[in-house]
Amino acid sequence: DGGITQSPKYLFRKEGQNVTLSCEQNLNHDAMYWYRQDPGQGLRLIYYSQIVNDFQKGDIAEGYSVSREKKESFPLTVTSAQKNPTAFYLCASSIRRERNNEQFFGPGTRLTVL
Amino acid sequence: AQSVAQPEDQVNVAEGNPLTVKCTYSVSGNPYLFWYVQYPNRGLQFLLKYITGDNLVKGSYGFEAEFNKSQTSFHLKKPSALVSDSALYFCAVRDVLGSQGNLIFGKGTKLSVKP
Repeated sequence: DGGITQSPKYLFRKEGQNVTLSCEQNLNHDAMYWYRQDPGQGLRLIYYSQIVNDFQKGDIAEGYSVSREKKESFPLTVTSAQKNPTAFYLCASSIRRERNNEQFFGPGTRLTVL
Repeated sequence: AQSVAQPEDQVNVAEGNPLTVKCTYSVSGNPYLFWYVQYPNRGLQFLLKYITGDNLVKGSYGFEAEFNKSQTSFHLKKPSALVSDSALYFCAVRDVLGSQGNLIFGKGTKLSVKP
């Protein structure tokens, strides 16, 4: 059963804590992405990676960090520097970061700051 | 600058009637256009894309979209709506000439199909 998995489904964080969201794919895709979704704002790109050990900032990277040590995995850390982290986080992947390739999305993680 | 607009926050349709979800775009070159659907608390599912060729693109679940270059539009359509089509729909664009090549998403349109 191929696809993208994200864990946990729900995550609660106290202010000042760092948390890490997991994203794993077994589609053998080269490119992976992290988006943030807020009501009425669509999806905004946080970070993306085209290849192992390489990643680039998206439109709203401040307060977030990522790593890409394995092709299958692209974890996102929400740091205490992110002032408004409560949101729905979506991970995606595509065969390559070429313009005609569609992205496939995971089920998402809903992060709530208490 | 690249942008995508979905002018309707919500579309209401009766089951069995045709539906249209509107999308317009602005890019510097030729666009690659995508439609995705999202059910509550789920990820996005790919429906269809326009790259080149025929202006009418057919996708999953009976959906289709019409690319209109002169009107810079890519409206999503379905001849007969189902209650199960109720969801949030996103249009997205990539600029062929853009150096980044990232997807730009619209804000989404909530489709509500009533029995």
